[in-house]
Amino acid sequence: DAKTTQPTSMDCAEGRAANLPCNHSTISGNEYVYWYRQIHSQGPQYIIHGLKNNETNEMASLIITEDRKSSTLILPHATLRDTAVYYCIVRGADTGRRALTFGSGTRLQVQP
Amino acid sequence: AAGVIQSPRHLIKEKRETATLKCYPIPRHDTVYWYQQGPGQDPQFLISFYEKMQSDKGSIPDRFSAQQFSDYHSELNMSSLELGDSALYFCASSFRDRPTAFGPGTRLTVL
Repeated sequence: DAKTTQPTSMDCAEGRAANLPCNHSTISGNEYVYWYRQIHSQGPQYIIHGLKNNETNEMASLIITEDRKSSTLILPHATLRDTAVYYCIVRGADTGRRALTFGSGTRLQVQP
Repeated sequence: AAGVIQSPRHLIKEKRETATLKCYPIPRHDTVYWYQQGPGQDPQFLISFYEKMQSDKGSIPDRFSAQQFSDYHSELNMSSLELGDSALYFCASSFRDRPTAFGPGTRLTVL
């Protein structure tokens, strides 16, 4: 699975959009981009995933660049409860049973 | 919706003791994963099972073993516990290409 690079930490004001970038320049054609988050000491929580099209669900939006070498997770209206570590993970479509590999993630602090 | 269940949620053991952690995956999920997360670290994959057979192995110490039973629940057995085994242990489950779901974790403290 391709390696990902994320900023170590980010701040965001409550009520504003949080845009979390992820670089995955070695991604291959059949690899998906997954986003998970971990609120302090809780189990990682699935947010969203995508292959090449932009995706949106009730939690967030995922924007993937046309060359697929980077993506951005957007939390449209961040709240204090969104303070967490956000992990961007790349995994192949044909390795659905392979374990997710967590990198360092981005620690998002939502400020009141 | 049903989630992954782990028990116990907290466990305190002495050095050199044995611990058993249990995981009950989401119904119909056929793959179970175990992760270890030390203080200030990211989750590290230990081992996984698909249809009750070991499918992949990560950085699991030889003192640890795991299995998946006929009802799909899984147990992680840890022997000769060391102080460094103090960590959060997460179980996760998945079905085909659907997103992996994680349990709430078991916090193990070794004294």
